[in-house]
Amino acid sequence: AQSVTQLDSQVPVFEEAPVELRCNYSSSVSVYLFWYVQYPNQGLQLLLKYLSGSTLVKGINGFEAEFNKSQTSFHLRKPSVHISDTAEYFCAVSPFGNEKLTFGTGTRLTIIP
Amino acid sequence: EAGVVQSPRYKIIEKKQPVAFWCNPISGHNTLYWYLQNLGQGPELLIRYENEEAVDDSQLPKDRFSAERLKGVDSTLKIQPAELGDSAVYLCASSLAPGEQYFGPGTRLTVT
Repeated sequence: AQSVTQLDSQVPVFEEAPVELRCNYSSSVSVYLFWYVQYPNQGLQLLLKYLSGSTLVKGINGFEAEFNKSQTSFHLRKPSVHISDTAEYFCAVSPFGNEKLTFGTGTRLTIIP
Repeated sequence: EAGVVQSPRYKIIEKKQPVAFWCNPISGHNTLYWYLQNLGQGPELLIRYENEEAVDDSQLPKDRFSAERLKGVDSTLKIQPAELGDSAVYLCASSLAPGEQYFGPGTRLTVT
C-alpha cells in the first residue's frame, strides 16, 4: 500500500516570494508521483508529474518539483508566487502498473498581497 | 476539447433519500474514476472503470452505493439511502494514458 504525507496543512506566503510545499511518500513498490491543484469550487488540475527520467520536473504556471528517491520526497516549488496561485495543492502517488492514485491531505497556499 | 462534465454541481437532500450523480468523461478516455472528497481531505477512490468493466470497486460501500457505465462512456453513481456522513464532494475523472487523470468540477452533496 502507498501513503502520502503533506507536512503543512496551510502555507501563507507573500506575493512574489518563493514557496516550497512538502510531500513525502511511502511505498513498497516503485511509484509515479503527481501534484494537483484545486481552485475553489473546482476539480483538480494536474500541475506536473514524475514518471521516469530527470528528477527535476517542470509543470504549468511556473511550478517545478524534484523527486528524491532516497528521502522519498517530491517537494513542489515556485520561485515567485502570484495572487492567482491561491489554491489547495495535493500530492499523489500511484504504483507502477496500477492507475490508483493515493492523495495526501492537501496544503492550502494563501498568497498575501 | 471539452473537459469532464458532471451534474448536478450541487445537491441538497434529506437523509434516507436517494441521489444520483452523472459524469461524462473526455471523449475517447476509456478509464473513468469516481472519487469521494471529504472536507479538508484528499480525494479517495470509490470505483474505477475500464470501458464498461468495474476493475476496482474495493472502496465502494456496496450496501448503499452503486455505479454503472453501461455503454463505456458516461457513468452514474447512486446512493440509496443517503446518510448524513455522505455529505462530501463527489469527483469524476477520466484518463487515456497512465498517470494523467482529468477531473471534473465535482458534485457537492449535502445531506440534512
